[in-house]
Amino acid sequence: QVQLTESGPGLVHPSETLSLTCTVSGFSLTGYSVYWVRQPSGKGLEWMGRMRYNGDTSYNSALKSRLSISRDTSKNQVFLKMNSLQTDDTGTYYCAGSFDYWGQGVMVTVSS
Amino acid sequence: DVVLTQTPPTLSATIGQSVSISCRSSQSLLHSNGNTYLNWLLQRPGQPPQLLIYLVSRLESGVPNRFSGSGSGTDFTLKISGVEAEDLGVYYCVQSTHAPYTFGAGTKLELK
Repeated sequence: QVQLTESGPGLVHPSETLSLTCTVSGFSLTGYSVYWVRQPSGKGLEWMGRMRYNGDTSYNSALKSRLSISRDTSKNQVFLKMNSLQTDDTGTYYCAGSFDYWGQGVMVTVSS
Repeated sequence: DVVLTQTPPTLSATIGQSVSISCRSSQSLLHSNGNTYLNWLLQRPGQPPQLLIYLVSRLESGVPNRFSGSGSGTDFTLKISGVEAEDLGVYYCVQSTHAPYTFGAGTKLELK
């Protein structure tokens, strides 16, 4: 059974760095890509980036200067780090196994 | 980056009515490997998105066959043949042919 679980702080202060972890089970990170997708409250979905099964990464053009995605295959975890957070980075952050499998998401609020 | 234009933004339907959603791409989504990576997702209120259709027209396992996808190149359509109450939510097209991947803005399906 495939599961993805996002974890991380619910509150981040402006200008700080967001660190999120996606822990997967039911598939191997060396055989499946993992995406990060976010959604501001009441708005649409935004693709942030991906960790491909072969270790390649790709990022949203608007976010790439402050976004980094990495992984630890031994722990079945994919990591997202995004710096210089602002209030419009508030929203729900999802990790997904390609677009096939989704985590429940983690709500992140950027506020002082 | 590829821009996906979804129409209409909102759709009002009665139970049993058939409806269609359009997704137009700013460039062809035909990959050099011959596949077209255009997917359709449904996000019900308070839930993560779920995959309905991949590769333009392939139904994800467990998805009712009242959902169908069609199209090629830059023009794609999702059709629901006989809306049911559980179909209400926001529908998104998303392309994974060209990195960075991109979502359409969404179509909200409501009950009339």
